[in-house]
Amino acid sequence: ELKVEQNPLFLSMQEGKNYTIYCNYSTTSDRLYWYRQDPGKSLESLFVLLSNGAVKQEGRLMASLDTKARLSTLHITAAVHDLSATYFCAVDIGAQKLVFGQGTRLTINP
Amino acid sequence: GAVVSQHPSWVICKSGTSVKIECRSLDFQATTMFWYRQFPKQSLMLMATSNEGSKATYEQGVEKDKFLINHASLTLSTLTVTSAHPEDSSFYICSEREQSDTQYFGPGTRLTVL
Repeated sequence: ELKVEQNPLFLSMQEGKNYTIYCNYSTTSDRLYWYRQDPGKSLESLFVLLSNGAVKQEGRLMASLDTKARLSTLHITAAVHDLSATYFCAVDIGAQKLVFGQGTRLTINP
Repeated sequence: GAVVSQHPSWVICKSGTSVKIECRSLDFQATTMFWYRQFPKQSLMLMATSNEGSKATYEQGVEKDKFLINHASLTLSTLTVTSAHPEDSSFYICSEREQSDTQYFGPGTRLTVL
């Protein structure tokens, strides 16, 4: 059974700090997605990572994928309050199906 | 990019009744759409794959007779929760995926069964 594990599950940090969220998965896949979810809302697509070594950046967020290690990271640089949300990684297991991690609830304090 | 809408955005119903949730693709013809369920403070779990013109395929543990899926056109998939019970209360989200590999999610439907 495929497992997608995020670490940490909860993260409270101060504005201006850097941090990384990790996403480990237990089966072979070369497609991984990162989403953001605000309370009571649906998912917003952040990054689509389609190959080993893929790195994408958008603003203060940067995502990378290492398919050999079965690891993806979401790095936050100089965090701001607006980035407070829950972040999910999701692994493509074929047939367009996604298996989601547990989510990381990020709180950024002024 | 693709836009997915859902209706209703929230619904409250009595136990034993059935509820229909619609998922529409507004600018993309989706032969395949997906239905997810999210319990409070938990992750999303794939329930089923909705296939246009054919039967849906359900994930293990999801009762197909309870969660009826119909995908009669390329832009509409419906999920009907039959004989709903309080444990069916959840956030139901549909999605579609474009050729760009980006998967777009609908705004979700919050179901509360009393």
